[in-house]
Amino acid sequence: GNSVTQMEGPVTLSEEAFLTINCTYTATGYPSLFWYVQYPGEGLQLLLKATKADDKGSNKGFEATYRKETTSFHLEKGSVQVSDSAVYFCALSEGQASGSRLTFGEGTQLTVNP
Amino acid sequence: DVKVTQSSRYLVKRTGEKVFLECVQDMDHENMFWYRQDPGLGLRLIYFSYDVKMKEKGDIPEGYSVSREKKERFSLILESASTNQTSMYLCASSSQVEGLFFGSGTQLSVL
Repeated sequence: GNSVTQMEGPVTLSEEAFLTINCTYTATGYPSLFWYVQYPGEGLQLLLKATKADDKGSNKGFEATYRKETTSFHLEKGSVQVSDSAVYFCALSEGQASGSRLTFGEGTQLTVNP
Repeated sequence: DVKVTQSSRYLVKRTGEKVFLECVQDMDHENMFWYRQDPGLGLRLIYFSYDVKMKEKGDIPEGYSVSREKKERFSLILESASTNQTSMYLCASSSQVEGLFFGSGTQLSVL
């Protein structure tokens, strides 16, 4: 079946540091890939997505590229802020449509210190 | 503004009680989902529904059931709550175009 593996957390960085959170996946077919973010006390929000190989999703300074050859979708940001502190989830869809059921990774807790 | 509303933010129940978790969406979405979130395990799908009165088992349906009598409402039922069902429960809805929108979650403690 489908699965998503994220790098273990927690991750602690200083403000303005470079962020990478690794995500690899196993899937049949050609899933869409997503990053969701969960701020304290809130539900998950879509951060970015990519629907086919070599697509780059981007939002709020975050980027991730759909790499079919390495089955990866690593999240990056050049300069993190304290307000980026949250839990980040990588996910893949069962089908091409964005509204299909999602399989999630374990989540990575990010803390950014001033 | 898109909204998925879960009836309770925190809930405390006793072992063996029947528990209802309610979720309402105001976006006329066809699809609705129930996930549970546990540290180190991420989100796991319990049940989902692609239409009124339709339901499909997710990855961990044991000990749960669901009800979808109206398009906007999707209820998760714990028939006889157990301590291993203590968790954060997240409801989501989606259309094929817009993707998933999540509620704020219900933290359930079973004592």
